[in-house]
Amino acid sequence: DAGVIQSPRHEVTEMGQEVTLRCKPISGHDYLFWYRQTMMRGLELLIYFNNNVPIDDSGMPEDRFSAKMPNASFSTLKIQPSEPRDSAVYFCASSILMGQGGEKLFFGSGTQLSVL
Amino acid sequence: GENVEQHPSTLSVQEGDSAVIKCTYSDSASNYFPWYKQELGKGPQLIIDIRSNVGEKKDQRIAVTLNKTAKHFSLHITETQPEDSAVYFCAASSRGSQGNLIFGKGTKLSVKP
Repeated sequence: DAGVIQSPRHEVTEMGQEVTLRCKPISGHDYLFWYRQTMMRGLELLIYFNNNVPIDDSGMPEDRFSAKMPNASFSTLKIQPSEPRDSAVYFCASSILMGQGGEKLFFGSGTQLSVL
Repeated sequence: GENVEQHPSTLSVQEGDSAVIKCTYSDSASNYFPWYKQELGKGPQLIIDIRSNVGEKKDQRIAVTLNKTAKHFSLHITETQPEDSAVYFCAASSRGSQGNLIFGKGTKLSVKP
């Protein structure tokens, strides 16, 4: 398997523009997570899905952020409108439920987002 | 909710020396403690994990210890090599709480040849 695939790797946009980040999880994994990484706040969970259904979106910072998972092999994270403070690295990760609890996350390479 | 503190934030060692990174957690219900390694330009990768029914786990040069009473766990890397240079994250989660893996802020490890 190629692992978790994210696109684009880098995105530079202007404030107010719409940004769409894409993720293809590992085949067979039934959990998908979106994380944001910044120097100040570290790795923050934004939202996660189980079997394509959003389970917890309490980490989504504002209504400007939305995420979808139309099928088991694709998810998007959209920011509309984008702001400079959204600049960060966004990671997608997938996992499969382990019997004893907890999950082994497999991360993609991330999307470096810069909002000017 | 769970809070994970990680120390130190940066660590520099000579090649061949040992490195130790420590984490504390707040939620006594936490029972799963993974460690991730993040190399420059890449996503974090799981390197080792431990569950609350185990006190220590080893995998070649890497070991993790857990003290449930004190609510802390540590990563030990022996005979460090330059390729061990990376940012290391600890994390904690509790049984039945898929999706609530809480990460520490990370430790940047530099191994000098």
